Amino acid sequence: SQQGEEDPQALSIQEGENATMNCSYKTSINNLQWYRQNSGRGLVHLILIRSNEREKHSGRLRVTLDTSKKSSSLLITASRAADTASYFCAGEKETSGSRLTFGEGTQLTVNP
Amino acid sequence: ETGVTQSPTHLIKTRGQQVTLRCSSQSGHNTVSWYQQALGQGPQFIFQYYREEENGRGNFPPRFSGLQFPNYSSELNVNALELDDSALYLCASSYWPGTGFLSSYNSPLHFGNGTRLTVT
Repeated sequence: SQQGEEDPQALSIQEGENATMNCSYKTSINNLQWYRQNSGRGLVHLILIRSNEREKHSGRLRVTLDTSKKSSSLLITASRAADTASYFCAGEKETSGSRLTFGEGTQLTVNP
Repeated sequence: ETGVTQSPTHLIKTRGQQVTLRCSSQSGHNTVSWYQQALGQGPQFIFQYYREEENGRGNFPPRFSGLQFPNYSSELNVNALELDDSALYLCASSYWPGTGFLSSYNSPLHFGNGTRLTVT
């Protein structure tokens, strides 16, 4: 079963706008991670937020986590055409090394 | 720092055949995991190897098996290929201190670019 479910499935915006993607998960997690994937390539880790954290920033990225609602959001500010990719959230239920449960992703298109 | 590399990049096999995919971990990493990603879907966890032993498996049948070598590289073997096995197979490495260490330890995964397997 999917740990994460992203919303929306697809998002198209203009360069310079902000992009917000949401993720919901079903079971309790130790941490939640966001990854980016360019078409046909591997995933690149963006940011990790622990279950005891509520918000985290990294450059143009802002991630929030609400464990009571089992949801997270990823905000990309001042988007660029190079941000065009699929974005996945993934929950880690316990510190297990590398067992993540991914959602089905949000396809972000940033138009120049 | 050498990243995660996978080979081959593409592979075409016939139903019923066997396939071996290879992965070299990023230097300094001791854990390898394999994921299957069908077209338009998120990656699905197959299994993880730590200290050359399988240390966690997802919902995949026994015909999916693996190995981890002393240099932390890894192989994924799939026997009796089925059409539904067509997917992008991703290898990821990370560092994990193992059980008994701080439960709050978190390590992001470093992925290779995958092997695209097509079963006809």
